[in-house]
Amino acid sequence: QKEVEQDPGPLSVPEGAIVSLNCTYSNSAFQYFMWYRQYSRKGPELLMYTYSSGNKEDGRFTAQVDKSSKYISLFIRDSQPSDSATYLCATKEGGSTLGRLYFGRGTQLTVWP
Amino acid sequence: GAGVSQSPRYKVAKRGQDVALRCDPISGHVSLFWYQQALGQGPEFLTYFQNEAQLDKSGLPSDRFFAERPEGSVSTLKIQRTQQEDSAVYLCASSLQTDMNTEAFFGQGTRLTVV
Repeated sequence: QKEVEQDPGPLSVPEGAIVSLNCTYSNSAFQYFMWYRQYSRKGPELLMYTYSSGNKEDGRFTAQVDKSSKYISLFIRDSQPSDSATYLCATKEGGSTLGRLYFGRGTQLTVWP
Repeated sequence: GAGVSQSPRYKVAKRGQDVALRCDPISGHVSLFWYQQALGQGPEFLTYFQNEAQLDKSGLPSDRFFAERPEGSVSTLKIQRTQQEDSAVYLCASSLQTDMNTEAFFGQGTRLTVV
């Protein structure tokens, strides 16, 4: 079993829809949680970064972490065609100087006009 | 430069050939990471440097893989006697500090195809 599980999709929604992306993880030592966006043939770019449980909002994006259920979510409001990309959840341990990231396999999202 | 630069962008190697992949991190970034991303998968950790010290190489899949960062800046990932299963995108990332809450910036990757 992988450290981080993520449904690969693909997910296809109309413009303006609310998108929900999710991951689960298995290691209780994970303390930092991230969502990356990866366009085709590009490197991942950081979208959201949260520490421990709770919500974080940035414009149309909201990240949620529930450590009790080991569940990570990203919500995209008013989705746009430019949001079409692969979304990767990632996590890393706390209390260590090593910054190794554990990634999900990514969910491919298409927003059609 | 403005971001993490990787070269070459694309590499086709015949099976058994040695390859070298280069990463130029953002200037001043202490930490440097290599990841391997197979088609349709998320990046998988290979190795981590703090300055010139290789602190973690637990993700290197075999002794055919070797990474170095001799002066604490540019890094090279070398793969000897390439196999078809080595075909993947190799991503390099760098971050400013070693503490946990600093962002890692990724390069565009090198797409390696072994034929």
